[in-house]
Amino acid sequence: AQKVTQAQTEISVVEKEDVTLDCVYETRDTTYYLFWYKQPPSGELVFLIRRNSFDEQNEISGRYSWNFQKSTSSFNFTITASQVVDSAVYFCALSDDSGGGADGLTFGKGTHLIIQP
Amino acid sequence: DADVTQTPRNRITKTGKRIMLECSQTKGHDRMYWYRQDPGLGLRLIYYSFDVKDINKGEISDGYSVSRQAQAKFSLSLESAIPNQTALYFCATSGTPAGGPHNEQFFGPGTRLTVL
Repeated sequence: AQKVTQAQTEISVVEKEDVTLDCVYETRDTTYYLFWYKQPPSGELVFLIRRNSFDEQNEISGRYSWNFQKSTSSFNFTITASQVVDSAVYFCALSDDSGGGADGLTFGKGTHLIIQP
Repeated sequence: DADVTQTPRNRITKTGKRIMLECSQTKGHDRMYWYRQDPGLGLRLIYYSFDVKDINKGEISDGYSVSRQAQAKFSLSLESAIPNQTALYFCATSGTPAGGPHNEQFFGPGTRLTVL
């Protein structure tokens, strides 16, 4: 069975600090996809990144970066020079590729990130 | 206009009432999903549909039913609502009209349901 663990329930940092959100996953499949979504206070879910299990390259997008390590089954998300607008709940999610990945995403419980001015 | 829409956006109802939440999409996707979000629990899958003729139960389907009226429409029903079904409900879609990866999901804005 798939499982996603986000051990940090809530993180509070001061603006401009760097912050890393942890994500650990479990799956028996060799082909799978990992995701991060952002849920701002307005409630919608915003897609941030998708990574497949065969691509372990780290990715950087502006102030956001992701570190994927299969050896530790982790897919961590770092925000550099955090801003108040980064305040949100962040979800890590997992989907395998059997049946084309149509059986839905397994989400972690989310990390509530608070950026204080 | 939004690609994935949900109606209603907010609903308050009483225990025992039948409720239908509707989802429509203009993305041309074949796969559609219903999730519920509870504080501190993340999102959990209720039902998913590969196409109009294919509907599957998710992790927490008890107390819910769905209908895929067309490729673009996927409705979630609570036959007899109970207070612990109070939650934020999300519809999502995945797939591309021309085929390709099916794993990226696009979410609607959510429906906040309160059962008194």
